[in-house]
Amino acid sequence: SYVLTQPPSLSVAPGQTARISCEGNNIGSKSVHWYRQKPGQAPVLVIYDDTVRPSGIPDRFSGSNSGDTATLTLSRVEAGDEADFYCHVWDSTHERPVFGGGTRLTAL
Amino acid sequence: EVLLVESGGGLVQPGGSLRLSCTTSGFTFSNDWMSWVRQAPGKGLEWVANIQQDGSEKNYMDSVKGRVTVSRDNAKSSLYLQMNSLRVEDTAMYFCARGSGASRFGYWGQGTLVTVSS
Repeated sequence: SYVLTQPPSLSVAPGQTARISCEGNNIGSKSVHWYRQKPGQAPVLVIYDDTVRPSGIPDRFSGSNSGDTATLTLSRVEAGDEADFYCHVWDSTHERPVFGGGTRLTAL
Repeated sequence: EVLLVESGGGLVQPGGSLRLSCTTSGFTFSNDWMSWVRQAPGKGLEWVANIQQDGSEKNYMDSVKGRVTVSRDNAKSSLYLQMNSLRVEDTAMYFCARGSGASRFGYWGQGTLVTVSS
């Protein structure tokens, strides 16, 4: 099945930019969606179709996707941004959704 | 406001059964595929099953096939997951989500916890 690989953790100083990667074979040919999950809460969609921000999501969130890597970028990181982030694509070969393993973002 | 509220979780012994429910509001339920996604304690997200708008097509992850059945009642705007022959490894928070997973999961419920233990 299609595999998505994310770094398990990322630490960024407040005010700096976090870039969370999601690697998959030719992922650039797929639509990538990103979710933020804070402890004890449900996932929340923050980017869909590679680059689109849902209503209510700050413009500090952005996304890109090319080649074998999709990236979620969060600028001006705040302490309140600490969360787990997951990428998601559709595995068209097996006709099922696939999630990355998740990245825990920590604001140092 | 779109709302999804899961219920039905609990503690069950291995081999037992549970029926999860997801009650929705704020959107036209009958227009959308719906899915169940689970998260084992301390682990990542894992898609479990989805169901087409009219219930005619259903898909499952391999490890639950034959043990789990997804269904829906469009008149009640509700989604269900009947889980039989439960295993310890089925222990997880179960979320219902709007969508099939072929595109984004735009809305999620808060989840219901299933614990399988003797």
